[in-house]
Amino acid sequence: DVKVTQSSRYLVKRTGEKVFLECVQDMDHENMFWYRQDPGLGLRLIYFSYDVKMKEKGDIPEGYSVSREKKERFSLILESASTNQTSMYLCASSLYGYEQYFGPGTRLTVT
Amino acid sequence: RKEVEQDPGPFNVPEGATVAFNCTYSNSASQSFFWYRQDCRKEPKLLMSVYSSGNEDGRFTAQLNRASQYISLLIRDSKLSDSATYLCVVIGNSGNTPLVFGKGTRLSVIA
Repeated sequence: DVKVTQSSRYLVKRTGEKVFLECVQDMDHENMFWYRQDPGLGLRLIYFSYDVKMKEKGDIPEGYSVSREKKERFSLILESASTNQTSMYLCASSLYGYEQYFGPGTRLTVT
Repeated sequence: RKEVEQDPGPFNVPEGATVAFNCTYSNSASQSFFWYRQDCRKEPKLLMSVYSSGNEDGRFTAQLNRASQYISLLIRDSKLSDSATYLCVVIGNSGNTPLVFGKGTRLSVIA
């Protein structure tokens, strides 16, 4: 079974803090993705990566950055957390961009 | 026009009923289509792919209508366990284009 793990299920941070969300997949997938999911807005793509050290902006990259130093690990960074970044963050991985396997999500609250 | 549109529901149906969801997409060059299922407070998971010739998996049938640019999901003999949000997903004209998710249709099956 493909496994995608995320470093935390729940996270509470203060405004202005730098936040790191980690995602690890164990299936040697080339492609990894970060989404946020908010009620009424659905899944929105933040960043994605098709290879190590490669990254592409998704639909809502502002306020975020990513890092992919190893194939299995894709990190999302909130440079200076703000309250409007309170959300559910979902990481996914895939082979050739087709079926995506999601991690369990990190519910981030910024106060 | 939004890329992928779904009726948000909720669809409230009794056990044993047949229910159908439609999803429209705007990019006529889209090549691949999927239905994902997301249970409450869980991550999305692939339910089934949608092929040009249609696809049936037990009680679930997915159809594609390229001329009208919509896909459908039919669930027969609904079970309580079918209660979830169903996400329509479209891939553009390249295998490595990120998936585009609809906002989902919520289904509640009632005893």
